[in-house]
Amino acid sequence: EAQVTQNPRYLITVTGKKLTVTCSQNMNHEYMSWYRQDPGLGLRQIYYSMNVEVTDKGDVPEGYKVSRKEKRNFPLILESPSPNQTSLYFCASSPGLNYNSPLHFGNGTRLTVT
Amino acid sequence: QKEVEQNSGPLSVPEGAIASLNCTYSDRGSQSFFWYRQYSGKSPELIMFIYSNGDKEDGRFTAQLNKASQYVSLLIRDSQPSDSATYLCAVIYWEYGNKLVFGAGTILRVKS
Repeated sequence: EAQVTQNPRYLITVTGKKLTVTCSQNMNHEYMSWYRQDPGLGLRQIYYSMNVEVTDKGDVPEGYKVSRKEKRNFPLILESPSPNQTSLYFCASSPGLNYNSPLHFGNGTRLTVT
Repeated sequence: QKEVEQNSGPLSVPEGAIASLNCTYSDRGSQSFFWYRQYSGKSPELIMFIYSNGDKEDGRFTAQLNKASQYVSLLIRDSQPSDSATYLCAVIYWEYGNKLVFGAGTILRVKS
């Protein structure tokens, strides 16, 4: 089944404890992206990747890191999480950012930082 | 700053009515537009996309694009309670590389 898999689904952690949220897609998509979603603010892009070894900042990259060492995986790293990073996170992929290539979303990761 | 604006709602319509959701965008160079539906706590799922002026129909859904006025809308005919969700408009901006920007979404409530 074609899908984007995020893990974990739920995560509660403490301030400053490094964490990684994994994202993997099995559709051979070139484009991958991370979003955070907060009430009233919609989906805001954190980082995106147009292809392997190519990553770029989105609108809210501060406090996050990503890597794209292989096409299928695009992990999101929080080196020193803070309470303002408590949010619902989505990973998404598409064949490319083209006029007819919609995003496929993972099921989301709800992160709470205390 | 590329912007996509949506009325946050909630938009309430009775069951069986037509729901009309609107989205405006800031860049005339934008070429492609997507509508996603998101149930509470779930991931967004694609309803349809449109890139040519005019209407595009898919079942009970019709997307309308007017590039001169910079708006795109989604009509839902024969609205059902199961259509109650948040509807997200997304626009691809081509300038300085492709960039996909989401609106904050409109909450739709269909009352039975």
